[in-house]
Amino acid sequence: DAGVTQSPTHLIKTRGQQVTLRCSPKSGHDTVSWYQQALGQGPQFIFQYYEEEERQRGNFPDRFSGHQFPNYSSELNVNALWLGDSALYLCASSPRAKNTGELFFGEGSRLTVL
Amino acid sequence: KNQVEQSPQSLIILEGKNCTLQCNYTVSPFSNLRWYKQDTGRGPVSLTIMTFSENTKSNGRYTATLDADTKQSSLHITASQLSDSASYICVVSDRGSTLGRLYFGRGTQLTVWP
Repeated sequence: DAGVTQSPTHLIKTRGQQVTLRCSPKSGHDTVSWYQQALGQGPQFIFQYYEEEERQRGNFPDRFSGHQFPNYSSELNVNALWLGDSALYLCASSPRAKNTGELFFGEGSRLTVL
Repeated sequence: KNQVEQSPQSLIILEGKNCTLQCNYTVSPFSNLRWYKQDTGRGPVSLTIMTFSENTKSNGRYTATLDADTKQSSLHITASQLSDSASYICVVSDRGSTLGRLYFGRGTQLTVWP
């Protein structure tokens, strides 16, 4: 049983470019959340998707957008990249509305913006 | 303001020794508290999760405690090993929305020396 898988694992972009990160949730999970983790910091909540809709959003600008597909996989898109967007982007999945239940993280996508 | 504060920020101990990490939170309402272990450049891995009614939970050499009255939690590591070197993150979940919201601490960076 595969856990949460993310791709790509590493990527380098230049300022102003756009990036798309992908996440496949753990089998049986239908809710996907995205987090940004700067070096030496805790993860910061970006947004959460359930039933193909954005359900909650953290304090991130509109340059950050996402999508969830019918198979529960998800994408995170970041437009007009800044140097400050360099971070580890984590995807986490959980089963429906189980706030006290399990939450599994992927290994992350390391984005470097030059 | 909902916050999660962890201490110490970093800790160095010798292999075989015990240590205790602290987490104080102001998240309200409260649903559950989780401790995660995050190796450098990897995704967080769950160690324990505790609800309001639980005050102790163990996972091998890891024992977490929760005092919901004082809003404090601790993670005790017994007989530390080199592989325990990692960041330990405290995460608190609220009941404010259907799918909940997670609040992350910045983590305690633990280094175990031989």
